[in-house]
Amino acid sequence: QKEVEQDPGPLSVPEGAIVSLNCTYSNSAFQYFMWYRQYSRKGPELLMYTYSSGNKEDGRFTAQVDKSSKYISLFIRDSQPSDSATYLCAMRAVSGSRLTFGEGTQLTVNP
Amino acid sequence: EAGVVQSPRYKIIEKKQPVAFWCNPISGHNTLYWYLQNLGQGPELLIRYENEEAVDDSQLPKDRFSAERLKGVDSTLKIQPAELGDSAVYLCASSLESAGGSDTQYFGPGTRLTVL
Repeated sequence: QKEVEQDPGPLSVPEGAIVSLNCTYSNSAFQYFMWYRQYSRKGPELLMYTYSSGNKEDGRFTAQVDKSSKYISLFIRDSQPSDSATYLCAMRAVSGSRLTFGEGTQLTVNP
Repeated sequence: EAGVVQSPRYKIIEKKQPVAFWCNPISGHNTLYWYLQNLGQGPELLIRYENEEAVDDSQLPKDRFSAERLKGVDSTLKIQPAELGDSAVYLCASSLESAGGSDTQYFGPGTRLTVL
C-alpha cells in the first residue's frame, strides 16, 4: 500500500466550477502538507502549504487538512482554463525533509 | 531571482550508453534534491544533499546511478549504463533548510530522458 493515495483522474470541469482534489495517507508522522501544481513539461510549483490540521485560504484556493482522518483536500473556486494542470499532494514528517508525493490528479477546465 | 536551472531539457540515448544531467540551484539554497518522475506518477526522491554532503541516498540505485555536488552549489546526476526503464523525467529541486523545518522546495523544469 502506498503511503499517499491520490485519485489520478482525469478530472474535467466547466469554467467557473468548484473543484475538489483529495489525498489520503497512512503515515501518522506527516505534519507538513503541500499542494503542487505541475503544468505540462514543467516542474512542480508550490501552490499551498499547511502545517498540521486546519484550513488555509489563498485567493481562489483553499487547503484543508484533517489529521484525524488522514485526509487532505484542495478546493479551487471559480476555476479557470489556466488552472488546467496536474495537481500533486505532498507531505512530510516534522523531522527530515523527504517529501512523499501522491501520483497527481490531472485537471482540465473547459472554457 | 533565477529559478532552478537544469540541462539538458531533453536527452535521447541508446541503452547501455552513459548520460549525465546538470542542475544549478537557486542562489543561497543549501539543500539540493534529485527526483525521478515517471509518467503519470509523482516525483520520487533519489538523493538529497545538504551542502556537499549526501544525507539521503537510500533510494539511489547505486549500481548504475551516481551523483555529486562539488563545492555545495551545482550538481550532476549520472547514469551508466542506461537501461530502457530509466526513461523518465529527472527533476532537480533546491531549498533553504531552516530550523523550523518548513523549507519549501523549488523545482527545475526537469530533464526528459528517453532510452531507446
